[in-house]
Amino acid sequence: DGGITQSPKYLFRKEGQNVTLSCEQNLNHDAMYWYRQDPGQGLRLIYYSQIVNDFQKGDIAEGYSVSREKKESFPLTVTSTQKNPTAFYLCASSIAGGGREQFFGPGTRLTVL
Amino acid sequence: AQTVTQSQPEMSVQEAETVTLSCTYDTSESNYYLFWYKQPPSRQMILVIRQEAYKQQNATENRFSVNFQKAAKSFSLKISDSQLGDTAMYFCASYTGTASKLTFGTGTRLQVTL
Repeated sequence: DGGITQSPKYLFRKEGQNVTLSCEQNLNHDAMYWYRQDPGQGLRLIYYSQIVNDFQKGDIAEGYSVSREKKESFPLTVTSTQKNPTAFYLCASSIAGGGREQFFGPGTRLTVL
Repeated sequence: AQTVTQSQPEMSVQEAETVTLSCTYDTSESNYYLFWYKQPPSRQMILVIRQEAYKQQNATENRFSVNFQKAAKSFSLKISDSQLGDTAMYFCASYTGTASKLTFGTGTRLQVTL
């Protein structure tokens, strides 16, 4: 079955540590996205990539980093400089080009202890 | 900058009844797309319906339909014959080519009751 996988489902991190969230898709989509979801704030875009080896900052990129070395993979690193990292993180992908449906993964819940 | 506003944080509807969720948006673009996504308690985001701004005809998907009022920048979602499985957060979103990204509203939590 085609789809998007995110791992792990739950992640706990101590303050001062970097942590990497995995996102893999087998839909052959060119574009991939990372969102952060907080209660009452909807989804906010962290980073996106329209093509391999290229990515752009979204609305809340500070404290995060990404890479796009392979078409099917778009890992997100939450660095120790991110002030409020506890949140639900969603990865999505789509066919490149305007207005296409974005398909979402099941999400990762990150908790900073 | 794009903005999407959902003014109803929570709504409730009885099973088999009809409910309408409101959404307004703001964009200076002439070409854009509008979406409704559903997020049930599992937290899996699912596309409900998509509307292309240049199409005047309102999109429909089975029990789900939209009322797209371009001049008023309004994009409401109507759910007919509500079912318990419709209980979820519903997010309105817009996409423009210039921004190349989706902008989401804050969501409406819909509870379907017996």
